[in-house]
Amino acid sequence: AQSVTQLDSHVSVSEGTPVLLRCNYSSSYSPSLFWYVQHPNKGLQLLLKYTSAATLVKGINGFEAEFKKSETSFHLTKPSAHMSDAAEYFCVVKESGTYKYIFGTGTRLKVLA
Amino acid sequence: DTGVSQNPRHKITKRGQNVTFRCDPISEHNRLYWYRQTLGQGPEFLTYFQNEAQLEKSRLLSDRFSAERPKGSFSTLEIQRTEQGDSAMYLCASSLGLLGRLFFGSGTQLSVL
Repeated sequence: AQSVTQLDSHVSVSEGTPVLLRCNYSSSYSPSLFWYVQHPNKGLQLLLKYTSAATLVKGINGFEAEFKKSETSFHLTKPSAHMSDAAEYFCVVKESGTYKYIFGTGTRLKVLA
Repeated sequence: DTGVSQNPRHKITKRGQNVTFRCDPISEHNRLYWYRQTLGQGPEFLTYFQNEAQLEKSRLLSDRFSAERPKGSFSTLEIQRTEQGDSAMYLCASSLGLLGRLFFGSGTQLSVL
């Protein structure tokens, strides 16, 4: 079965500094990978997705992620954090052969003024 | 608002009672998912509908849980004989096409006393 592991449950950065949220996946096949964001009291929203096209994927609000097959990683980055980026971020893999999207346990991003 | 709508937003019930939640997906979306999320965890897959057909159910889903999607429109999730361990946020999502973006509702927060 496929799975994702989010390596940090909490990340704190200062406003204006880079953001790195780490995700590793396990998959026997070429996976479809996603990042979703959950702001307090709001629904989950898609940030970006990788589906075997370009390995560097650009998403909304300046976020991007790079698919690295050799490292089985799909880390999320942003060059400069904004206060509004404070939220919970989920790395997600679409399990091949099923209809399931498997969510990681989440990384809570805190942005300090 | 043309997003995914879930009702009720909150439900408090006593152990042993039955509860039913409703999800209205985005109208043209043929795919509908139910997920469950507990505090500090990522959403956990429960079941999937394509149009009116329930094509996948989590093995973790006990027989106390049942879901329907009559006529491929709205969906209901019923939990019979609720237990305290059923307390969670129940999320509904819809999408169009394979690997389409999941649009999530705001969820129904269930508390079983």
